[in-house]
Amino acid sequence: DIMMTQSPLSVAVTPGESASISCRSSKSLLHSNGITYLSWYLQRPEKSPQLLIYQISNLASGVSGRFSGSGSGTDFTLKISRVETEDVGIYYCVQFLEVPPTFGGGTKLELK
Amino acid sequence: QIQLVQSGPELKKPGESVKISCKASGYTFTDYAMHWVKQAPGKGLKWMGWINTYTGKPTYADDFKGRFVFSLEASASTANLQISNLKNEDTATYFCARGSGEGFAYWGQGTLVTVSS
Repeated sequence: DIMMTQSPLSVAVTPGESASISCRSSKSLLHSNGITYLSWYLQRPEKSPQLLIYQISNLASGVSGRFSGSGSGTDFTLKISRVETEDVGIYYCVQFLEVPPTFGGGTKLELK
Repeated sequence: QIQLVQSGPELKKPGESVKISCKASGYTFTDYAMHWVKQAPGKGLKWMGWINTYTGKPTYADDFKGRFVFSLEASASTANLQISNLKNEDTATYFCARGSGEGFAYWGQGTLVTVSS
């Protein structure tokens, strides 16, 4: 199975500032069709996960433009600009290149 | 709008069985696969497998072969997860999630299954 490693485990951010979360996969997530199957999810407290970003950098429908994704191959980054209260929760990266889809361990974002 | 609505929380004893339902609305049920994801208390997310909602064929992740069964009531746009011979380690929230090219864009609200004697 492809291993997904996130860092940091947790991050505390002052509202209005930016935050970045890293995700590394144990093998390249680039498919032969040219698509990289890496997504980001946010799970707010006591809620279901919500899709934020798919295929590295595509913003999911209805998601704030303050979220952006970048990276390639095995190294990926989620950036959250102008952090707001509603951004609090646990962020997960997920790979969909191979079965089984595998999740990173999560990064908890808190407010200072 | 697209919704996945799951059945309510369950409290079961070890050895018992449980069946969780996930009712879909707002789209053609058989056009998208349904996936199941487990989240143990305070832990991360683990993919359990998926069911082809057109053919009814299930596929299970290695850790979920044997006691776990995915099924459909296609006429009711509902996917089900049944767990037999429940163990303490099955205590978790179980999510259904609709599969697509974007990954899991839609999720149920989760069903908490508590296994305790």
